[in-house]
Amino acid sequence: GQQVMQIPQYQHVQEGEDFTTYCNSSTTLSNIQWYKQRPGGHPVFLIQLVKSGEVKKQKRLTFQFGEAKKNSSLHITATQTTDVGTYFCAGRGGTASKLTFGTGTRLQVTL
Amino acid sequence: NAGVTQTPKFQVLKTGQSMTLQCAQDMNHEYMSWYRQDPGMGLRLIHYSVGAGITDQGEVPNGYNVSRSTTEDFPLRLLSAAPSQTSVYFCASSSTSALTGELFFGEGSRLTVL
Repeated sequence: GQQVMQIPQYQHVQEGEDFTTYCNSSTTLSNIQWYKQRPGGHPVFLIQLVKSGEVKKQKRLTFQFGEAKKNSSLHITATQTTDVGTYFCAGRGGTASKLTFGTGTRLQVTL
Repeated sequence: NAGVTQTPKFQVLKTGQSMTLQCAQDMNHEYMSWYRQDPGMGLRLIHYSVGAGITDQGEVPNGYNVSRSTTEDFPLRLLSAAPSQTSVYFCASSSTSALTGELFFGEGSRLTVL
């Protein structure tokens, strides 16, 4: 079955440093979504990418979808303590309606 | 709007007991799903439904049953709880366009099986 892996599993940065998490799928994806989960909370949708090579920005967050539609990345510029949480990618393969989540990257930001 | 509502928020069970986690959404979403979250394993899909009367298995369906008699409700049943089912459970729903819709999650149900 479809597998989605994320690296790193955990990252600890100083406030102001950049952060990147990478997502890799074992199969080609029709689209990919990114979610953020604050400690003790539930996942909240951030963005969806659909096109090969697509790049989208949300303020300090930059999302990319690979040319082969099998990988994606989330880059945060100049992290803030409010960025703390776990970031998940989630992908759909082909015509499947179900969403497969990656293993997540937990981000810790300290002053 | 309430969005996706899960009950209970916390539950402790003994091995072998049964229980139902309730999930209701008021957004008229066709797609509903259940995930479990365990440390280091992300969110794993248990069961999902693309509409009333239709359910299908996800990655980890064993030990769980679901039904979808209405658009609004998607309960998850544990017939005979096991310690391996100790986890945080999330219900999520999505719009009719299940192939592209974002998921809206409930606040989660933390289950401990002793």
